Amino acid sequence: DTGVSQDPRHKITKRGQNVTFRCDPISEHNRLYWYRQTLGQGPEFLTYFQNEAQLEKSRLLSDRFSAERPKGSFSTLEIQRTEQGDSAMYLCASSLPVSTDTQYFGPGTRLTVL
Amino acid sequence: AQSVTQLDSQVPVFEEAPVELRCNYSSSVSVYLFWYVQYPNQGLQLLLKYLSGSTLVKSINGFEAEFNKSQTSFHLRKPSVHISDTAEYFCAVSDRGDDKIIFGKGTRLHILP
Repeated sequence: DTGVSQDPRHKITKRGQNVTFRCDPISEHNRLYWYRQTLGQGPEFLTYFQNEAQLEKSRLLSDRFSAERPKGSFSTLEIQRTEQGDSAMYLCASSLPVSTDTQYFGPGTRLTVL
Repeated sequence: AQSVTQLDSQVPVFEEAPVELRCNYSSSVSVYLFWYVQYPNQGLQLLLKYLSGSTLVKSINGFEAEFNKSQTSFHLRKPSVHISDTAEYFCAVSDRGDDKIIFGKGTRLHILP
């Protein structure tokens, strides 16, 4: 397994459009996390799944954001009616279902909203 | 709520000189502590972590960090840096029993020739 993959790597969209990102975790990892990183900041937690169950959502995740992991494998993060403030790097990470296990990060999807 | 402070946004240091990157976290409850590194044009990767036991933890490439509960600190040190250590370093904390990680803003390490 080559690690966590994310698609696309870059996305440019106009304000008001919807976008969807995909994350494929390491195959044996039950947990999948989404983070957002803006310029000059560290990653901020958005939400995470254990298998297909979404266990926690940050207050940062507004109603325009929705994440799914329907079969407990890959996950999608959708942003509806994008705003310029949504421009950021969206990071996905995966781990085994143990809180002490290392989270392995993907390369990220860089979103630019014009 | 838990938070992480990395006071230095950038640290310039000459090659082969020692370096310390500072990190403080807000809460003294039981925590797990991490340093992640992001090399240019690469994703975040774990450098080292403290879970329990010995307060001094080491990475395979010569970095070490010491958990200091009384000062709520987890500073990262290396006795002699190399040009290949050029990267952004993120300190992070997770409360025990909580599965999310809280990251600091990062410290960019510049190695001067």
